[in-house]
Amino acid sequence: LAKTTQPISMDSYEGQEVNITCSHNNIATNDYITWYQQFPSQGPRFIIQGYKTKVTNEVASLFIPADRKSSTLSLPRVSLSDTAVYYCLVDRGSTLGRLYFGRGTQLTVWP
Amino acid sequence: DVKVTQSSRYLVKRTGEKVFLECVQDMDHENMFWYRQDPGLGLRLIYFSYDVKMKEKGDIPEGYSVSREKKERFSLILESASTNQTSMYLCASSTTTGLARDTQYFGPGTRLTVL
Repeated sequence: LAKTTQPISMDSYEGQEVNITCSHNNIATNDYITWYQQFPSQGPRFIIQGYKTKVTNEVASLFIPADRKSSTLSLPRVSLSDTAVYYCLVDRGSTLGRLYFGRGTQLTVWP
Repeated sequence: DVKVTQSSRYLVKRTGEKVFLECVQDMDHENMFWYRQDPGLGLRLIYFSYDVKMKEKGDIPEGYSVSREKKERFSLILESASTNQTSMYLCASSTTTGLARDTQYFGPGTRLTVL
């Protein structure tokens, strides 16, 4: 199982772009990279998933280099409401649906 | 939209009581999960189920049991609650098919306090 490493915490100010990098050196060929977001007192929610190169949706962008040993979640122009814990997961979808959540990155956005 | 509901947002119980936490999902998902979340420890998987009447132990099953008699409902049972089971409990569900395969949808959580 590919282990992920991400910073414990990050700080930013409103309007800035935030990049959270996740390291997954042992990623396997079949693994996808997925990010979840968790607001205080709520369950995590899926925000983006990718296999290689770049994926973008209305919430974030995900950059994956060719060797896939790391990935970067990019949040454009953050606001106070983006303060949350962000989890990076690596999953090959063949483990009866279970996912492995680490401790995540606490992002705090300041005014 | 997928909806996962949990029976209580807040629960206070006494040591030794039997506690039932209920989770219901409305999207016909095959998989259901129970996690607990504690400060600094992230999400830890207690039990999960990939079909009715099927269950698998997660990483911390001790002191817990589960029941899945119907596809939409997954119950977590604390046979004899202890103070170290004070935590936030999160339920999730996922499907094994389609574009959203294995994406987990979480309920709002139950904050359980054991006195």
